[in-house]
Amino acid sequence: QKEVEQNSGPLSVPEGAIASLNCTYSDRGSQSFFWYRQYSGKSPELIMFIYSNGDKEDGRFTAQLNKASQYVSLLIRDSQPSDSATYLCAVYGSGTQGGSEKLVFGKGTKLTVNP
Amino acid sequence: DTAVSQTPKYLVTQMGNDKSIKCEQNLGHDTMYWYKQDSKKFLKIMFSYNNKELIINETVPNRFSPKSPDKAHLNLHINSLELGDSAVYFCASSPSTDTQYFGPGTRLTVL
Repeated sequence: QKEVEQNSGPLSVPEGAIASLNCTYSDRGSQSFFWYRQYSGKSPELIMFIYSNGDKEDGRFTAQLNKASQYVSLLIRDSQPSDSATYLCAVYGSGTQGGSEKLVFGKGTKLTVNP
Repeated sequence: DTAVSQTPKYLVTQMGNDKSIKCEQNLGHDTMYWYKQDSKKFLKIMFSYNNKELIINETVPNRFSPKSPDKAHLNLHINSLELGDSAVYFCASSPSTDTQYFGPGTRLTVL
């Protein structure tokens, strides 16, 4: 089982819609969860982090965490064309499954927001 | 001011050559990392240093050797470059062991 899984997409939404990005992880001991945005040819940029179950809102972005289901999501409200990028889910491993404590990335979901 | 910087931005070289990539952070972070992002955009950790000490060394060929002269710098030296080494290499730093900030990347092309 892959450690961090995301739908590769592409996910296409119209401008102004809500974009929903999903991620599941295998390490049940993980405590820290991150969403990075990566524009084509650029470096990953941290946009959200969440540690506790529930929702965390920051502007148009909401991160949702459900540790029982091992599921993290990112909602982008009022999507803009400038949100078009690849979104990387990252989970900080606990080191309890034979691996070291490290940030493990999913393969990313490519989001396109159409004007 | 650039928080995490890398040089060079682009590196094109022949197979068998040896090359180095340099990374510097001015954020005062204790931990620095090297990641490799392949052509399929999969980002994977290679090494991690905390205060000049190696703490993560993933399954990476020993042709790759990181060096941290001080906690603000982490360089990556690659010997005997192979075609499969072509990728974008990102340096990152963090104040703790989870929230990480990435440099602009070095695109390595091995011909």
